Amino acid sequence: AQSVSQHNHHVILSEAASLELGCNYSYGGTVNLFWYVQYPGQHLQLLLKYFSGDPLVKGIKGFEAEFIKSKFSFNLRKPSVQWSDTAEYFCAVNPNTDKLIFGTGTRLQVFP
Amino acid sequence: EAGVAQSPRYKIIEKRQSVAFWCNPISGHATLYWYQQILGQGPKLLIQFQNNGVVDDSQLPKDRFSAERLKGVDSTLKIQPAKLEDSAVYLCASSLPTGAGETQYFGPGTRLLVL
Repeated sequence: AQSVSQHNHHVILSEAASLELGCNYSYGGTVNLFWYVQYPGQHLQLLLKYFSGDPLVKGIKGFEAEFIKSKFSFNLRKPSVQWSDTAEYFCAVNPNTDKLIFGTGTRLQVFP
Repeated sequence: EAGVAQSPRYKIIEKRQSVAFWCNPISGHATLYWYQQILGQGPKLLIQFQNNGVVDDSQLPKDRFSAERLKGVDSTLKIQPAKLEDSAVYLCASSLPTGAGETQYFGPGTRLLVL
């Protein structure tokens, strides 16, 4: 069955630390890849997405993600986190349909 | 531009009772989704509509869950009768119907607690 794995369930960082959240998916065909973020008390919103082309995708608020097809991965990165990045982050895969398959999420806490 | 609206925001019911949730998508978005998000998990698709037709309801527990989108705009999701394991956040999302990879815009969700 198609699935998305997020290995880090809870990440705690100090401000200015670098961030990398892992995401792996199990699907052999063409996929579209997404990272969604949910800030405390807010809706799920799109952070960035990959369809095709440059495997390094840049999103809002300084986030980027790299699609590595050979590793079935789409890891999210930010070189220097801020307290305002405290949120829950969800990786999602769209295996050539409209349907989104979400990972279990990673809760990020950033301390000043 | 107004976002996806959902109501109510919170609902507490006893098991075996019925409950209904309402969703109003972004204007012009023909595709509407209902997701269930259980605590500690990612959202799971329950049903997808394109206008007022069902595209995918393969993960909808049809013995107790039903959903409709009669005029291709608003949608309601109903649970009857509710079970304890239905406690979750129910998310509505909408998107343009341009195919795979289209961004889905989510509403605030309805948090359901079944006692």
